[in-house]
Amino acid sequence: QVQLQESGPGLVKPSETLSLTCDVSGFSISSGYYWTWVRQPPGKGLEWIGTLYHTGTTYYRPSLRSRVTLSVDTSKNQFSLKLISVTAADTAVYYCARLWTEAFDVWGQGTMVTVAS
Amino acid sequence: QSALTQPASVSGSPGQSITISCTGTSGDVGNSNLVSWYQQPPGKAPKLIIYEVRERPAGISDRFSGSKSGNTASLTISGLQAEDEADYYCCSYAGRSTLVFGGGTKLTVL
Repeated sequence: QVQLQESGPGLVKPSETLSLTCDVSGFSISSGYYWTWVRQPPGKGLEWIGTLYHTGTTYYRPSLRSRVTLSVDTSKNQFSLKLISVTAADTAVYYCARLWTEAFDVWGQGTMVTVAS
Repeated sequence: QSALTQPASVSGSPGQSITISCTGTSGDVGNSNLVSWYQQPPGKAPKLIIYEVRERPAGISDRFSGSKSGNTASLTISGLQAEDEADYYCCSYAGRSTLVFGGGTKLTVL
């Protein structure tokens, strides 16, 4: 059974960098599939952030491309999100998910990140 | 990359059928069979219920069905049950390896 678990700081100061990691269990990232990040601001809808393949190929939401970096560590079977220069607008629940035929078939439980001083 | 358009809310009584629409453009829904739907109960992570417009993952009830016509995709839930009360989101491939979600629809079972 594939499981995903997000981890990282729950509070980030404005202008600093948000860093999250997604640990994957029950499946080797190196075996394939695409891996993604999705966020959901409080009381709002879902927003795709970006996708990466185990080879390191990445695809980003155009409006976030200048601030976001996705990376993968196959030795730890995890992938990561870095978002620089955060503002209050980046406050959200962040989910990692597996992407299969352009559908998110396995999700983590989500982690709340608040941007505040 | 604009969000797909969904009604903010829909409601129905137990046993009835409801349909949630998801309207995009020729750049996303209209040009792709990679449309998916998600069910999100309050405080929980989303769950995939439809992929590739009309396909159901293993374990998803056949009360959930998907379709598409032109730039609009639709999710129909038949035999409405109290447990179906949740937020529902559509998502479409939007070209150049990007994805776009709908704004979400709150389903209330009366």
